[in-house]
Amino acid sequence: GQNIDQPTEMTATEGAIVQINCTYQTSGFNGLFWYQQHAGEAPTFLSYNVLDGLEEKGRFSSFLSRSKGYSYLLLKELQMKDSASYLCASSEAGNKLTFGGGTRVLVKP
Amino acid sequence: DVKVTQSSRYLVKRTGEKVFLECVQDMDHENMFWYRQDPGLGLRLIYFSYDVKMKEKGDIPEGYSVSREKKERFSLILESASTNQTSMYLCASSLLSGSGDEQYFGPGTRLTVT
Repeated sequence: GQNIDQPTEMTATEGAIVQINCTYQTSGFNGLFWYQQHAGEAPTFLSYNVLDGLEEKGRFSSFLSRSKGYSYLLLKELQMKDSASYLCASSEAGNKLTFGGGTRVLVKP
Repeated sequence: DVKVTQSSRYLVKRTGEKVFLECVQDMDHENMFWYRQDPGLGLRLIYFSYDVKMKEKGDIPEGYSVSREKKERFSLILESASTNQTSMYLCASSLLSGSGDEQYFGPGTRLTVT
């Protein structure tokens, strides 16, 4: 079976850095996605990691360790608009995704 | 820009009714997916389809069926709606079935079954 764990909620201050951890136990693992979802809106793609290491995209970075079944999403220079839920999802063959419960990030001024 | 549209944003149905949720994508994507999203449980895959007239069960298919008669359209059917099917339903599509292919999501349909 598939099991994805991430924290339920995190709070951070505008301009700060927040790291959202995700651990997974999946069979047939083929990569790890991060999506952002603002309240009442559709999830939108942030990143995909298939190899170990850090991928940087502007203020957002994502890390993967396949041997540890661990990923994190790093949000730097937080802005108010970053207040949203962040969804971790493992991918298996056929682009089938298994999602974690999501982490709601609240950015305070 | 990829666009995935869903027929309704909000829907209220009675227990026992047959419910159709429609999803259309405009980018000639091969794959389409139906999820439901519940607080604390995240998105859970109900059904998916790799091609016209093809369907595969996801993690929670019980009580649901799907139809894909045309490439751009993927319908989710609740044969006899029950209160435990009250949820947010999200449709998604991806170009191919490769593992790194981004899924594009529709805006969701919030279904309430009374």
